[in-house]
Amino acid sequence: NAGVMQNPRHLVRRRGQEARLRCSPMKGHSHVYWYRQLPEEGLKFMVYLQKENIIDESGMPKERFSAEFPKEGPSILRIQQVVRGDSAAYFCASSPRTGSLTSETQYFGPGTRLLVL
Amino acid sequence: AQKITQTQPGMFVQEKEAVTLDCTYDTSDPSYGLFWYKQPSSGEMIFLIYQGSYDQQNATEGRYSLNFQKARKSANLVISASQLGDSAMYFCAMSSNTNAGKSTFGDGTTLTVKP
Repeated sequence: NAGVMQNPRHLVRRRGQEARLRCSPMKGHSHVYWYRQLPEEGLKFMVYLQKENIIDESGMPKERFSAEFPKEGPSILRIQQVVRGDSAAYFCASSPRTGSLTSETQYFGPGTRLLVL
Repeated sequence: AQKITQTQPGMFVQEKEAVTLDCTYDTSDPSYGLFWYKQPSSGEMIFLIYQGSYDQQNATEGRYSLNFQKARKSANLVISASQLGDSAMYFCAMSSNTNAGKSTFGDGTTLTVKP
């Protein structure tokens, strides 16, 4: 059973370009979370999605960032017109959401390291 | 709002000894879950252990145990018989029904196991 997959693992962009980060959840998982980790810091929640729905985007910057989880295909985190401050590791996690919200372990992908030059 | 505090930026432990990594939390939600993750230098996040707020017993998973003190709002991770491969960053996290399952993370503790 493959784990959470993210690609690319490393992404280099120049200021003003677009970055697209992909996440394929574990088989059977229908809930996806995106987190951002700045150097030497913990993970910060960005957005929580279910298939075709954004459940909670309270951690997403209001501009330039968007996320989707279509019926078919991976979840996409899109950053338009990237700036140097967007350089970070972006992690995706998935959970099956079979029961209590508090006991759902989130399984993380390997992350995408974004570097903005 | 929920908050996780890890007060130890870095910890050292001798190989084969036990070590405790501190974590305190704050939430107004009566139902919550506490998690520990390990992040080695390769960068991936590895789930270690889970404790539910209503669990009567402390969680254990192999060499990992969680010292859960609800009244003090602490959820310390204990690693017994440390191994060199335990050297990594360790994150404490929590989720609650109020926050729709999303996790709040602490800033992490870097553990270095000395041979």
